[in-house]
Amino acid sequence: QITLKESGPTLVKPTQTLTLTCTFSGFSLNTSGVGVGWIRQPPGKALEWLALIFWDDDKRYSPSLKNRLTITKDTSKNQVVLTMTNMDPVDTATYYCAHRPPRGLRLTFFDYWAQGTLVTVSS
Amino acid sequence: SYDLTQPPSVSVSPGQTASITCSGDKLGDKYSSWYQQKPGQSPVVVIYQDYKRPSGIPERFSASNSGNTATLTISGTQAMDEADYYCQTWDSSTYVVFGGGTKLTVL
Repeated sequence: QITLKESGPTLVKPTQTLTLTCTFSGFSLNTSGVGVGWIRQPPGKALEWLALIFWDDDKRYSPSLKNRLTITKDTSKNQVVLTMTNMDPVDTATYYCAHRPPRGLRLTFFDYWAQGTLVTVSS
Repeated sequence: SYDLTQPPSVSVSPGQTASITCSGDKLGDKYSSWYQQKPGQSPVVVIYQDYKRPSGIPERFSASNSGNTATLTISGTQAMDEADYYCQTWDSSTYVVFGGGTKLTVL
């Protein structure tokens, strides 16, 4: 059974760096083709993909946010960490991590999602 | 960048067929997925690889992808299907792309 859960601050100040951790179970990031992604959703708005890390440490970032994002993995701890620098109130959103099943690159989708964590950016 | 366009809202009567479109340049040459999101819940994938249904997803959910448009079809729509629906694809430059979402109202 695959489960994921995000952890991190619920409130950050403008200009600060956000660090979110996704802790998962039921799969290994050592398995060929597997990935973990981060997606966010501002209140009342659409889903926005942020970053994706693969089993082989290949990393992809949203072109519009890549200068602010870093995604890393700790396979021994079953964790994926996302950092986002220079936070702004417009970054207020629910942040989700999700499991990407082993498929060809073009078949990327997310089949298991965590519950999401609301991060508010305010002074 | 690559963009996916969805209608903001679709309405359907109970028992009828709902169709939600997702448009993008040569989307039919890519693979599309669809997610259902109910208020306060995480998204759930209802279609992947253009037309495949994960286990546990009712047969009334189907989809197609051709030309510039992917379409999610819900046959015999039920009240429980009322939700936001998002299409998603992979692009070689933009990587993971989500559509803007469609609010399905069953009335």
